[in-house]
Amino acid sequence: GENVEQHPSTLSVQEGDSAVIKCTYSDSASNYFPWYKQELGKGPQLIIDIRSNVGEKKDQRIAVTLNKTAKHFSLHITETQPEDSAVYFCAASTGDKVIFGPGTSLSVIP
Amino acid sequence: DAGVIQSPRHEVTEMGQEVTLRCKPISGHDYLFWYRQTMMRGLELLIYFNNNVPIDDSGMPEDRFSAKMPNASFSTLKIQPSEPRDSAVYFCASSVHRGQTEAFFGQGTRLTVV
Repeated sequence: GENVEQHPSTLSVQEGDSAVIKCTYSDSASNYFPWYKQELGKGPQLIIDIRSNVGEKKDQRIAVTLNKTAKHFSLHITETQPEDSAVYFCAASTGDKVIFGPGTSLSVIP
Repeated sequence: DAGVIQSPRHEVTEMGQEVTLRCKPISGHDYLFWYRQTMMRGLELLIYFNNNVPIDDSGMPEDRFSAKMPNASFSTLKIQPSEPRDSAVYFCASSVHRGQTEAFFGQGTRLTVV
C-alpha cells in the first residue's frame, strides 16, 4: 500500500522567512496530493492540494510542487507569520484512501 | 453548515468500559471517515462509509472496535471493552468524493482510558 514520508518532523523559522516541507510517496498510482494544517485542539484543515497533471500550484503565500518521476512533493510557505505555527500534514491518494504523512510541527518565531 | 460535529470532545473512561463516539457529517457528503491520531502512529484511517455503507474497515485495529452509520446524518465508533492503548484523539471527517477532494474534519474526541 501507499506510504508517505515527511521531513522535517519539526521546523522553526523566524517570522518573515520561508518554510519548506518535503514529502515522498511510494505508490506511483497516486494522483491527488492534499496538504492539511492542524492547529492545537482542532481537526486538520485543507490548505492546498495538487493533482498529478499539474507540477506546481500557488495560493497567496503557499505553493506546492510535485515531481511525479521522483515521487516527491513539497510545501513552500513564504513570508511566514506567527499564525502559520501549526502541524502540517502531506497526504497522497490513488483515489481510494488518503494516506497521511507523519506531520511537521512548524514554529514561527516572532 | 456547522461543519462536522463530534461528541463528546473529551472522554475519560476506565479500562474495560464501553465507549461510544459520535459524529454528524456535513449534509450532502456521501463519504464519512473515522481516523485515529496518536503521537506514535500519526493519523490512521480506521474505516470509511459511502452512502451509509461500510466500504473499507481494514484499518480497524481489533474486533473491540466497531462502527455504524444508521443514516446519512449520524455515525458511531464504539470500543468495547476499552483499553489504555486506545487512548488517542479520534476524528471523524466527511467529503463529497472518496479520495480526490477535500475532507472536512471534526474537532475530534480526545479519549483517555485509565
